[in-house]
Amino acid sequence: QVQLVQSGAEVKKPGASVKVSCKVSGYTLTELSMHWVRQAPGKGLEWMGGFDPEDGETIYAQKFQGRVTMTEDTSTDTAYMELSSLRSEDTAVYYCASPRGDHDAFDIWGQGTMVTVSS
Amino acid sequence: QSVLTQPPSVSGAPGQRVTISCTGSSSNIGAGYDVHWYQQLPGTAPKLLIYGNSNRPSGVPDRFSGSKSGTSASLAITGLQAEDEADYYCQSYDSSLSGPRVFGGGTKLTVL
Repeated sequence: QVQLVQSGAEVKKPGASVKVSCKVSGYTLTELSMHWVRQAPGKGLEWMGGFDPEDGETIYAQKFQGRVTMTEDTSTDTAYMELSSLRSEDTAVYYCASPRGDHDAFDIWGQGTMVTVSS
Repeated sequence: QSVLTQPPSVSGAPGQRVTISCTGSSSNIGAGYDVHWYQQLPGTAPKLLIYGNSNRPSGVPDRFSGSKSGTSASLAITGLQAEDEADYYCQSYDSSLSGPRVFGGGTKLTVL
């Protein structure tokens, strides 16, 4: 069965960067279109960006453009999300997620990675 | 402030039927984009509940159903059970600068 396993919790200082990983098992990364969604404490889900298979490009939400980079290592079936210039408002659980079937809904999710930004 | 508007909370007694609305605009639901629904239990990752407006993934009980009309979509839950108490989110595409993928603000379902 397909699984997305994310890296562990991180604590960062304001201004620093964080890189979260998401390892795929049961599928290959090239069979998926990985996206990243975050959830601040007590708040809703927020789409950050992801791979668009129609364009063959990674698309970022305007809010994060210039501060987020999403990459993939197909040799290890691992996706990465790096967020820079961290501020306290970036404190959140970060999820990787992907469609798997013949639709574009996110039917597989990682377990989430808590990123805390605090001085 | 999400471009997809959901009620912050709904409630119902066991066995009852509840609906959760997701109101959009001509740049998202009204443009014909599909709506998906997710259930998030406390402390867990979201789970896909409905995709493509009204389709249930394998394993999702038929107590859950989705519909779409115009610029809105709805999730209906019949035969409410205690285990249904969770947060529910709609998701669609948006052609404005908010997108392209957008989530609703979420609805907390309380089973009385």
